Amino acid sequence: DTAVSQTPKYLVTQMGNDKSIKCEQNLGHDTMYWYKQDSKKFLKIMFSYNNKELIINETVPNRFSPKSPDKAHLNLHINSLELGDSAVYFCASSLQGVYQETQYFGPGTRLLVL
Amino acid sequence: AQKITQTQPGMFVQEKEAVTLDCTYDTSDPSYGLFWYKQPSSGEMIFLIYQGSYDQQNATEGRYSLNFQKARKSANLVISASQLGDSAMYFCAMREGPSGNQFYFGTGTSLTVIP
Repeated sequence: DTAVSQTPKYLVTQMGNDKSIKCEQNLGHDTMYWYKQDSKKFLKIMFSYNNKELIINETVPNRFSPKSPDKAHLNLHINSLELGDSAVYFCASSLQGVYQETQYFGPGTRLLVL
Repeated sequence: AQKITQTQPGMFVQEKEAVTLDCTYDTSDPSYGLFWYKQPSSGEMIFLIYQGSYDQQNATEGRYSLNFQKARKSANLVISASQLGDSAMYFCAMREGPSGNQFYFGTGTSLTVIP
């Protein structure tokens, strides 16, 4: 029944490691997003895909690479993790062109880099 | 310029009182949507209320209402009869762009309801 799911929910890892976060939505949406929420709760858009095509790519280190195998999935791979990558990462989805529709958020992945 | 501005980092309200959380936005698009989300300490983002740029009436959802003043570009959230469970972060957001794919979030307001 879950609309937007993310795995894992918690991720604790060492600096320098590579990790991935997976996101799936079963809402039939065509647009998916990755956000980073820092310790001050500020939500920053990182990437957005529409029908598997990258449409938003904010200033994010190229250690972060999104991948969308199909429009229901948007994964985030992070290379060479740094302390500053510690944050909560939210996946979200929406329908393109439907302004009155909200984004639906996943539960978040809490990443801690030691 | 910031697309969404929330000027109140923290707010306190007495239980059962009403509270207004401020939000101003900046856009030159005629079509846009304004949203409010609640983020409790458990971390999930909960959609509360929506207001469209062409809507003539203020949106209401239960105890939540949106005070939409288009000329002033403000979209304040009013919570009536505050409850302890309303203590959370509240984010104002705007959806705009040719396909409506751009979402912008404010920095949030932390609301504490005092018993």
